[in-house]
Amino acid sequence: IAGITQAPTSQILAAGRRMTLRCTQDMRHNAMYWYRQDLGLGLRLIHYSNTAGTTGKGEVPDGYSVSRANTDDFPLTLASAVPSQTSVYFCASSPGLAGYNEQFFGPGTRLTVL
Amino acid sequence: GQNIDQPTEMTATEGAIVQINCTYQTSGFNGLFWYQQHAGEAPTFLSYNVLDGLEEKGRFSSFLSRSKGYSYLLLKELQMKDSASYLCAVREGDYKLSFGAGTTVTVRA
Repeated sequence: IAGITQAPTSQILAAGRRMTLRCTQDMRHNAMYWYRQDLGLGLRLIHYSNTAGTTGKGEVPDGYSVSRANTDDFPLTLASAVPSQTSVYFCASSPGLAGYNEQFFGPGTRLTVL
Repeated sequence: GQNIDQPTEMTATEGAIVQINCTYQTSGFNGLFWYQQHAGEAPTFLSYNVLDGLEEKGRFSSFLSRSKGYSYLLLKELQMKDSASYLCAVREGDYKLSFGAGTTVTVRA
């Protein structure tokens, strides 16, 4: 693994189903983030984690949950998917939170909820 | 909260210069980033400004005026591969990075 990976690449999901999007980084970054990207709205922060064991809510957290059991993994769970959660989801990581800490993005997961 | 504005689309000719403006309103400015995103791909980091002035990195430069809530990204000697979306992002506080909707730049031969 080099950098940050996400799985699956794409998924079609029936409304009401539970889904976990996976994110793994091998850069030993402390901070990790989940964004959704919708046409005309840009990237919006769903949840973040500044270190293993801690998480926080971003701009659009409703309907999503995260966990950070270790440094490398930051899964995003949709407990009961709804069509409005159709989007492209990007996971990102950075060495820390503040200052000159660029975020490195994964390749994205394209999720369609029907 | 944040309000970040940038033009939706811009078109330019190969070899030319294009300037993408970004204006923002924030209560706790802590840095401004520019990212490039090709269609169907992840955003990649281009530049970071936290102090007023111009940061130059090869063909790309980024400018910041904190008092005006204004930044621009300057792309020089445009190449076809520069056709992409350019995202302005403002950090507020310690962690929150708010993105503009992006400017799609099309480079024509």
